Amino acid sequence: QAGLTQPPSVSKGLRQTATLTCTGRSNNVGHQGAVWLQQHQGHPPKVLSYRGDNRPSGISERFSASTSGNTFSLTISGLQPEDEADYYCSAWDRSLNAWVFGGGTKLTVL
Amino acid sequence: EVQLVDSGGDLVQPGGSLRLSCKSSEVSLRRYWMAWVRQAPGKGLEWVTSITEDGSTKFYVDSVKGRFAISTDSAENSVYLEMNSLRVEDTAVYFCTAVDGPWGQGTLVTVAS
Repeated sequence: QAGLTQPPSVSKGLRQTATLTCTGRSNNVGHQGAVWLQQHQGHPPKVLSYRGDNRPSGISERFSASTSGNTFSLTISGLQPEDEADYYCSAWDRSLNAWVFGGGTKLTVL
Repeated sequence: EVQLVDSGGDLVQPGGSLRLSCKSSEVSLRRYWMAWVRQAPGKGLEWVTSITEDGSTKFYVDSVKGRFAISTDSAENSVYLEMNSLRVEDTAVYFCTAVDGPWGQGTLVTVAS
């Protein structure tokens, strides 16, 4: 089955560090790394990182991405209340010729 | 932040048609592989279709093949999604996006009788 696997929810305390994971089910996924997206309720997604560990301008250095094999990770340090959101990973599947998405992780900042 | 403006969403009956538009006044959309991604109410993101920078190659999710068509107009700096034979399950907010680049604000398509 195609797609990416993310845990449905993660909870961490204020100023702690959260690491969100995303696992590809195929070795055809993410050869250029994953895209990580943040979505607040009622808003469009925002790119946090792309092609591995590239951050668009304006994205805080508290967000960092990494890849190990078929597992992509997004680490958020110094958690703030505004980090509470849904986080999605996405990658291009070169055998499907399609963008595949994870189901999303709801991050709660306690 | 680059602005993409999505438009064209509406309430339509099953079997009907709609055309979504996406325009940028800030950046040439020919820089990107452009895509449409949708999000059903309360659900996650689902890729629908992509088009290469030069418009020569298009890709579609199986569920919309033969019904949806993506296109670009370089003169208008726009991307379009022609949607035909719409189904109730096509109901979603549709985002124009480069996925790893700019995202539009989304436009709501509701398919209901």
